[in-house]
Amino acid sequence: AQTVTQSQPEMSVQEAETVTLSCTYDTSESDYYLFWYKQPPSRQMILVIRQEAYKQQNATENRFSVNFQKAAKSFSLKISDSQLGDAAMYFCAYRSPEWGAQKLVFGQGTRLTINP
Amino acid sequence: DTGVSQDPRHKITKRGQNVTFRCDPISEHNRLYWYRQTLGQGPEFLTYFQNEAQLEKSRLLSDRFSAERPKGSFSTLEIQRTEQGDSAMYLCASSFDRGAHGYTFGSGTRLTVV
Repeated sequence: AQTVTQSQPEMSVQEAETVTLSCTYDTSESDYYLFWYKQPPSRQMILVIRQEAYKQQNATENRFSVNFQKAAKSFSLKISDSQLGDAAMYFCAYRSPEWGAQKLVFGQGTRLTINP
Repeated sequence: DTGVSQDPRHKITKRGQNVTFRCDPISEHNRLYWYRQTLGQGPEFLTYFQNEAQLEKSRLLSDRFSAERPKGSFSTLEIQRTEQGDSAMYLCASSFDRGAHGYTFGSGTRLTVV
């Protein structure tokens, strides 16, 4: 079974600085999807960024980018120019492409604090 | 469309009572998922529907849990004879097709069993 590990329970960064959240996963599949979700105190999970494993190019969405290292099974999230609104729980998630295996497997989460 | 809606937002119930939660997905989405999230943990998969068919259930979904999605629209999750261990956030999500572009989550229903 696939597993996702986020080894940083908490991280903090100064406003306007850059922070990187770590995620590793375990799978025997060669093609899959990876996601970062943000869960603010209001609780709704919001998709931040996605990566398809067959694409070598790292995904980027405005201030958010990933460092996808397939061989190392690593998928880190970099947040540039951190803003107070970035404060939230961040979850890394894995999804198999196989038919029938529809579920997302989540890591334990990293609580990100932005210091003004 | 305002996204995925869940009702109620909070539910407090006495141990042994039955509770039912409702989820209204995005109307164009044919897949609907239920997850459970305990404090300080990531969400855990419970079950999912493609249209009205329930296609996968987690081992976490004991026989006290039942989910339905009549007519492939809204879904309900019922927990019978609630236990304190059922206290958690219950999240609903929906996607179009296989969700390769991610799911849209609702705000969740927080269940407290006293």
